[in-house]
Amino acid sequence: EIVLTQSPGTLSLSPGERATLSCSASQSVRSGYLAWYQQKPGQPPRLLIYGASSGAPGIPDRFSGSGSGTGFTLTISRVEPEDFAVYYCQQYGSSPQSFGQGTKLEIK
Amino acid sequence: QMQLVQSGPEVKKPGTSVKVSCRASGFTFSYSSVQWVRQARGQRLEWIGWIVVGSGNTNYARNFEERVTITRDTSTSTAYMELSSLRPDDTAVYYCAAEGSINAYNLWGQGTMVTVSS
Repeated sequence: EIVLTQSPGTLSLSPGERATLSCSASQSVRSGYLAWYQQKPGQPPRLLIYGASSGAPGIPDRFSGSGSGTGFTLTISRVEPEDFAVYYCQQYGSSPQSFGQGTKLEIK
Repeated sequence: QMQLVQSGPEVKKPGTSVKVSCRASGFTFSYSSVQWVRQARGQRLEWIGWIVVGSGNTNYARNFEERVTITRDTSTSTAYMELSSLRPDDTAVYYCAAEGSINAYNLWGQGTMVTVSS
């Protein structure tokens, strides 16, 4: 089973700043099947990035993903007020699939 | 539009079973796969398992493989997740998610609250 570890646990930023979130895998993620989700309280997760670097339909281009193998990054170029939420990575290339523990992006 | 609609909240006694449904519309369900994920209050997302709709093949997380069954009915475009031998720590919101127009889980149901209490 692939274990995903996200860092930092909490990221405190001001609107307009750049956010960098990391996801580290215990084994190589097959074919880059790594996704990033945003979740706000009381809502289901929302897919942001899939295939490590492809933006999901309708997602603003300030969200970007990169990485391969065991190291992946989600970058928000300029954080908007609506971006404060919890972010999860998921690997879906190997079964059992797995999620990271989440990074909370909070207002500084 | 593409959407997943889940069944309503459930309250169950310990030791019983629950079956949650997830009805798809607006996309070709038979070409998709569906995963089930749960989230206890204030906790992380936890992967339960998935089904490839066309073949019916399934795979489950080790923590659930003895208690969970995921099925689908292609005639009604509905996926199901049944969890047995319920315990109070199974209390959570259960989500289904499907591959819509892309090879990733871009469609999510609204969530079903399952409460296990004596």
